[in-house]
Amino acid sequence: GAVVSQHPSRVICKSGTSVKIECRSLDFQATTMFWYRQFPKKSLMLMATSNEGSKATYEQGVEKDKFLINHASLTLSTLTVTSAHPEDSSFYICSASGAEMAFFGPGTRLTVL
Amino acid sequence: DAKTTQPPSMDCAEGRAANLPCNHSTISGNEYVYWYRQIHSQGPQYIIHGLKNNETNEMTSLIITEDRKSSTLILPHATLRDTAVYYCIVRVWGGATNKLIFGTGTLLAVQP
Repeated sequence: GAVVSQHPSRVICKSGTSVKIECRSLDFQATTMFWYRQFPKKSLMLMATSNEGSKATYEQGVEKDKFLINHASLTLSTLTVTSAHPEDSSFYICSASGAEMAFFGPGTRLTVL
Repeated sequence: DAKTTQPPSMDCAEGRAANLPCNHSTISGNEYVYWYRQIHSQGPQYIIHGLKNNETNEMTSLIITEDRKSSTLILPHATLRDTAVYYCIVRVWGGATNKLIFGTGTLLAVQP
């Protein structure tokens, strides 16, 4: 299957700082990427759909000004958690989507102190 | 909302077959059934997908009922490394923008 990478794999930051997470599709061009968040012992929750060259579409209840998404190229989407707070601590996972299936990155563990 | 329901957990003895059921009674004609699994603290891994015919790959088999309202993922010889949460998802085929909405999945625990 296709390879999707995320960077960093884990990050610890202080409350009030911003954190950027990168998602790269390494071997296919993804016009669409998805961002998910997963809390402990819970399922993946879709946050937003990231389309190359256009604004992201956010799911209901997800603050677009807090979770900034940029999809500047067919192989890179970034998620920036702005002014992070402890409740933003979670496992963030991206997915690169093709017509037939989607492939997932390994996830980024964010801990906000 | 997820359009699938799965049992929250199942146990299976190592070397035996694991049969993971999924109910998707409201599936639409253009929706495929996808299975992913997530090993602890990793991203989901694609397993298999199908529309209405049974599908098989090197790891698993997917059995879809004739009315397409339910399916079963079969791991013929489960190993300890197959311990994971298995997600059954329905998704419209043919569009990169079509979302994958996860339900609660089934935690499969393979016992030695």
